[in-house]
Amino acid sequence: DAKTTQPNSMESNEEEPVHLPCNHSTISGTDYIHWYRQLPSQGPEYVIHGLTSNVNNRMASLAIAEDRKSSTLILHRATLRDAAVYYCILLLSGAGSYQLTFGKGTKLSVIP
Amino acid sequence: DTGVSQDPRHKITKRGQNVTFRCDPISEHNRLYWYRQTLGQGPEFLTYFQNEAQLEKSRLLSDRFSAERPKGSFSTLEIQRTEQGDSAMYLCASSLRTGEAFFGPGTRLTVL
Repeated sequence: DAKTTQPNSMESNEEEPVHLPCNHSTISGTDYIHWYRQLPSQGPEYVIHGLTSNVNNRMASLAIAEDRKSSTLILHRATLRDAAVYYCILLLSGAGSYQLTFGKGTKLSVIP
Repeated sequence: DTGVSQDPRHKITKRGQNVTFRCDPISEHNRLYWYRQTLGQGPEFLTYFQNEAQLEKSRLLSDRFSAERPKGSFSTLEIQRTEQGDSAMYLCASSLRTGEAFFGPGTRLTVL
């Protein structure tokens, strides 16, 4: 299975942009890149996903490198509510595995 | 509130007892997943249902664990003869599409 590598922790000031990196050098052509986050004492929450092109939604943006070996989750203006563990996950498209393989993620702290 | 509910939210039991957890997914979601999460780790996949059919089971799911989803609606996860190592947060998730899963708040199990 293709694996992802994320920093253990990151800090950001409130109202500043945050760039959360993820390396996935062994990604295959059919792997989608998903991001989830988990706030304290809650279940994980879907953030965004993409395959090749950059993606935007109301929560965040996902920038995918041209070779797809890395990606970056961008929170445009961090708020205290964004303090969470962020997981970068590869998911094979098509028949077969529907399971999300979570690593340890990046713990984001937001400083007021 | 994601629309996925789990009951109970907390369960304390003695070693050797049986426990059963319930998950009510979002009503139109045909896919349902169970995960387990221990302190400081990301969630680990346990099993996956599409409608009432259990299509995937992790090697983590020992013979003491059984899951059902009668009629493709709610699901139950039973652990027989609980052990202290079963202490964890048990998370349920549901989805319509591969990867975009909605997680419940979890059931925290403590085995004494």
